[in-house]
Amino acid sequence: GEDVEQSLFLSVREGDSSVINCTYTDSSSTYLYWYKQEPGAGLQLLTYIFSNMDMKQDQRLTVLLNKKDKHLSLRIADTQTGDSAIYFCAEARNDYKLSFGAGTTVTVRA
Amino acid sequence: GAVVSQHPSWVICKSGTSVKIECRSLDFQATTMFWYRQFPKQSLMLMATSNEGSKATYEQGVEKDKFLINHASLTLSTLTVTSAHPEDSSFYICSARSADPLEQYFGPGTRLTVT
Repeated sequence: GEDVEQSLFLSVREGDSSVINCTYTDSSSTYLYWYKQEPGAGLQLLTYIFSNMDMKQDQRLTVLLNKKDKHLSLRIADTQTGDSAIYFCAEARNDYKLSFGAGTTVTVRA
Repeated sequence: GAVVSQHPSWVICKSGTSVKIECRSLDFQATTMFWYRQFPKQSLMLMATSNEGSKATYEQGVEKDKFLINHASLTLSTLTVTSAHPEDSSFYICSARSADPLEQYFGPGTRLTVT
């Protein structure tokens, strides 16, 4: 199985908050990332968090990290139609190579 | 922000031919570039790590003679799919790491279809 796991789909109403969850298995991971991929495009770095942090906020994005449970989440406040995309969680180990989850497809409905 | 381009964005080739994909960091120097492969509705699979001026490091199960990687300068890495077959059809994405190893920037991807 994959080292990084995510739920595959999330449907959210426009204006509501979206919460995307991710679990990882490697406790030696140093950094954890969230990337966004729109159809037919590459990955856009949204944010990352160092493993000794609990929370990081950047405008509408809030990342929460529970290192004990190896659980990472991304909250998008006031979700907009432009937020519809696939969101990938990734972990980086000491060599900075990224290991990705399968991605969560977020669909924003009016 | 850091921009990574890929060329071509899509390519269709016949079985048995070779295809070269370029990855460029446009506004920064990338000592390390990565090549990924993504199947439909699946995650990215790291194929190889490319360091400028040295041989690429391939992940387990990736044929180095099939997927030739060259990283001749700090802004350009190329992936050549040799003797392509239909099973090589995929979305190939490169990424480049800046001096800050924490940030890895991705190209827009290249859709390869082998007929």
